[in-house]
Amino acid sequence: DSGVTQTPKHLITATGQRVTLRCSPRSGDLSVYWYQQSLDQGLQFLIQYYNGEERAKGNILERFSAQQFPDLHSELNLSSLELGDSALYFCASSAGLNTEAFFGQGTRLTVV
Amino acid sequence: AQSVTQPDIHITVSEGASLELRCNYSYGATPYLFWYVQSPGQGLQLLLKYFSGDTLVQGIKGFEAEFKRSQSSFNLRKPSVHWSDAAEYFCAVGLKTSYDKVIFGPGTSLSVIP
Repeated sequence: DSGVTQTPKHLITATGQRVTLRCSPRSGDLSVYWYQQSLDQGLQFLIQYYNGEERAKGNILERFSAQQFPDLHSELNLSSLELGDSALYFCASSAGLNTEAFFGQGTRLTVV
Repeated sequence: AQSVTQPDIHITVSEGASLELRCNYSYGATPYLFWYVQSPGQGLQLLLKYFSGDTLVQGIKGFEAEFKRSQSSFNLRKPSVHWSDAAEYFCAVGLKTSYDKVIFGPGTSLSVIP
């Protein structure tokens, strides 16, 4: 158990809908990363938050957004969902900006 | 461009046999190197990492990896595979441990037969 908690574990939704994925980092970790893992793209970095502020952006679509709350948990919002958004979404947390990150078990999103 | 390749998409080994998973990278400088394992239904777990120093790195679960600068490789090895090692293995590289810049390879799926 990495100490990073992601909910829900599985999510099935229809195209055009909006979903929110939640991540609780390890206790004390200030940095949260979001990744998308799909069969064709592999593991892709989406976005990073550090102590409530957006720190870095990767290959994140405009339909996707994230935030980190004062209690340091983070949410990834995916809207106008398409079939191609079906993937495993991972959250990872680390104590600082350049320290080892620990991954959650992921949320498997299926868009039908 | 920076990239990571894992030439073997899938490998099958017998339990008790030795294992080597290949990883090659293209990077402008000597990067930080990582191996992660993803068991079914689990997140990624760090097996080992190389930053500098001794090029043979020991990790958890009996794994080791060797950094070869001349070959731009960081191959993962285990002398005797256990059935519980069946999983997906990812090689990753980065300029440092800033995970927004870590690039993950496509993964190698390992099957273990009794």
